[in-house]
Order: sequence, then C-alpha cells, then structure tokens
Amino acid sequence: GAGVSQTPSNKVTEKGKYVELRCDPISGHTALYWYRQSLGQGPEFLIYFQGTGAADDSGLPNDRFFAVRPEGSVSTLKIQRTERGDSAVYLCASSPGQGADNEQFFGPGTRLTVL
Amino acid sequence: DQQVKQNSPSLSVQEGRISILNCDYTNSMFDYFLWYKKYPAEGPTFLISISSIKDKNEDGRFTVFLNKSAKHLSLHIVPSQPGDSAVYFCAASDGNTDKLIFGTGTRLQVFP
Repeated sequence: GAGVSQTPSNKVTEKGKYVELRCDPISGHTALYWYRQSLGQGPEFLIYFQGTGAADDSGLPNDRFFAVRPEGSVSTLKIQRTERGDSAVYLCASSPGQGADNEQFFGPGTRLTVL
Repeated sequence: DQQVKQNSPSLSVQEGRISILNCDYTNSMFDYFLWYKKYPAEGPTFLISISSIKDKNEDGRFTVFLNKSAKHLSLHIVPSQPGDSAVYFCAASDGNTDKLIFGTGTRLQVFP
C-alpha cells in the first residue's frame, strides 16, 4: 500500500513569507508526527497528533509554527514569517496507534529553503 | 543538551565483516530504544528496537545490545553488505510520550 507522502518535496521561499507543508499519513494510522532535520543533525521532534488533537506540541520552536489535523488524517504544518534558520528537511511520520513500540513510518520529507 | 549521542559520524567496513554502531544516552527515564536507517532523499525506516527490560534483541543480521548501567546501546550488523550503506540513527523514548529523541547519526559505508 501507499506510504506516507509529503508535498511539496522542495520549497524555496523568501525570508518573511508564509509556508504550508502537507503530510498524507498511511490510511488508518491514528498517530501523526512532525520532525525537523537540520544539516548534520538527527530528526528533531516538533509535534504529535493522536486523532485530530495535538497530544504533544512541546517541540514547536516558537509561535510562528503551527500544525493542524482537522479530520484526523491529513496534516498541515504552517510556518509564519519564515527565517533563514527555518531551513531544514521537515519529516512527517505516522503510526497505527499510541506508544513508542508502534512503528513510526516516515515520509520522504519536504526540503524547505528560506533565502 | 543532546540526550542521545552518536559520537562516530562515520564508519567504514569491509563487506562480510561486522559493523558496530554505538549510541549513548543521558536520560535515565528512557525505556525504549530504536534504530532507524536512512538512505539519501528518503525518510528514515525502522530497523530494530529494544525495551529497557531486555539487554539484547536480534533480528536476522541485526542485533541491538543495551547496557542500562552504562546508558549505552549498540547495533551489530553481521555480515555487513554493500546495501547496508546508509546513515543510521539511534532514537529513544521515555514512555510518557510517543515522541522520539534522535541522535545525530552515523554514516556507514560497506565496501566490497
């Protein structure tokens, strides 16, 4: 079956602009995660949804970052007033249920470049 | 504060030999550990995991060892194959949340 998909695969924007990154999880997966991977680093947790609600948003770096999952499936990560430091690969993952022992399946990521 | 550390950024191993990738952690609340493998332009894929109640878990050519007193885990790949060439990430979870804390990764190259 289809895996986790993310669009766009690449996004180039100018400092100060607004961007939206989309994640389509595996069908039926109730949990959805957003991570950010900067160059030379491992993925860094941003936010996690169980169903429609954000169960843990402790990783969002500031109030410019916001994510939604209104119908418990597709999720959108929104970044306002982008800064050059926001440049990274944004990874989405989904899993069939709660608990770290439920495998998280990752998408290919969206590479965001802020000029 | 890096709670999960992979101190070797790269490792080069000959095909057929053993690859040993190491990971250290600082948070004693971590109770579940995972290894992910990542190829270029792809997302990480799950490889193997271990609960803190165990000290070893084996799956085919892959074995993970956990030393809780030393807060250290390692991934053994034997025999190593050229297709194993990738970046390997160690990750941990504390059981109170489903988020994973990742290390910085080790790039493994298996040469013929």
